[in-house]
This record gives sequence, structure tokens and C-alpha cells, in this order.
Amino acid sequence: QKEVEQDPGPLSVPEGAIVSLNCTYSNSAFQYFMWYRQYSRKGPELLMYTYSSGNKEDGRFTAQVDKSSKYISLFIRDSQPSDSATYLCATLTQGGSEKLVFGKGTKLTVNP
Amino acid sequence: EAGVTQSPTHLIKTRGQQATLRCSPISGHTSVYWYQQALGLGLQFLLWYDEGEERNRGNFPPRFSGRQFPNYSSELNVNALELEDSALYLCASSLYISGYTFGSGTRLTVV
Repeated sequence: QKEVEQDPGPLSVPEGAIVSLNCTYSNSAFQYFMWYRQYSRKGPELLMYTYSSGNKEDGRFTAQVDKSSKYISLFIRDSQPSDSATYLCATLTQGGSEKLVFGKGTKLTVNP
Repeated sequence: EAGVTQSPTHLIKTRGQQATLRCSPISGHTSVYWYQQALGLGLQFLLWYDEGEERNRGNFPPRFSGRQFPNYSSELNVNALELEDSALYLCASSLYISGYTFGSGTRLTVV
């Protein structure tokens, strides 16, 4: 079983739709959870970072973590064509490895 | 504030050759991480350097190596290149556990 599983998509939605991106993880030692956005031919860009279970909101983006079910989500409200990118979830344990473990990414296309 | 810079942007090498990739972290960041992003495999952790020392390495053969210089910049070396080494190599830096900042990467093509 991979440490972080993410549906690769691709996902195609109309402009203005609510987008839900999801990952599951297997290692309960993971303490930090991140979402990155990667445009074509660019490096990943940090969108959201959270430590605890619950929701964290930043503009149109909401990150949700459920540690009991090992499930992490990213919601995008009022999606825009500029949101078209690959979204990567990532997790991290503290102390020792400092290694980000990534999902494979979900490719999102928002159609105008 | 300048971000993480990587050079070169693109690199084409022949199988069996050596490749050297360079990374300059954000000013003040002491940790540098290297990741490989190969098609269909996602981002795979390669190496972590902090304060000039290698702190951790991923599941890659010893021909992948690197170092960190006193100014915290870093170099990734790949010896005896194989076709499957073709990938985007990403460098990231961080100061605290608050998410890493990635550079735009070096696209290595082995022919």
C-alpha cells in the first residue's frame, strides 16, 4: 500500500464549479499536511498547510484533514480557468526524516 | 525575496555520462531537498541536506549524490546516467516545517 494515495483524474469542471480533491494516507505518524499546485513545466507551489484535524480556509480554498480516517481534502470554490493545474497532496512526519511524501497528483481543468 | 533558483533549466546528456544540477535556496533557509519527478511516478524524495550535512536519502542508488556548500547552496550529481533517469529534478528549501518552497526544476533528458 502506498503511503499517500491520490486519484490522478483527470478532472474537468466548468468555470464556477466547486472542486473536491482528495487523498488518503496510511501512516498515522504523519502530522503535517500540505496541498501544492503545479502548473505545467513549473515547480510545485505551496497552497495550504495544516497541522491538525479540521478545516483551514484561505480565500476560495479550504483544506480539510480527518486524522481518524486518514483522509485529506482540498475544496476550491468558484473555480477559475487559472486554477487549471495539477494538485498534489503531501504529508510529513516531524523529527528525523523531514521527508515530504507526495500523492501522484490530480490534473484539474476548469473550462471557461 | 528571491525564490529557490535552479540551474540549468534543461540538460541533455548521453547514457553513461554524469550530470550536475545546482540549487540556490531562499536566503536564510538552511535545508535543501532534492526530488525527482518522473513521468507517471510522482515526486520521489532523493536527498535532504541541512547545515552542510546529508540528513536523509531516499530509495535511490549511490550514483545519485550531492553536497551542500557553506552558503547553503547545493549540487546534485548523477553518475553513469541511465535512460530512466530522465525526469524533472526539483530542489526545495525550508527553514521551519511550514511547507517547502520549490524551484522550477531542471529537466534532465538522457539519450
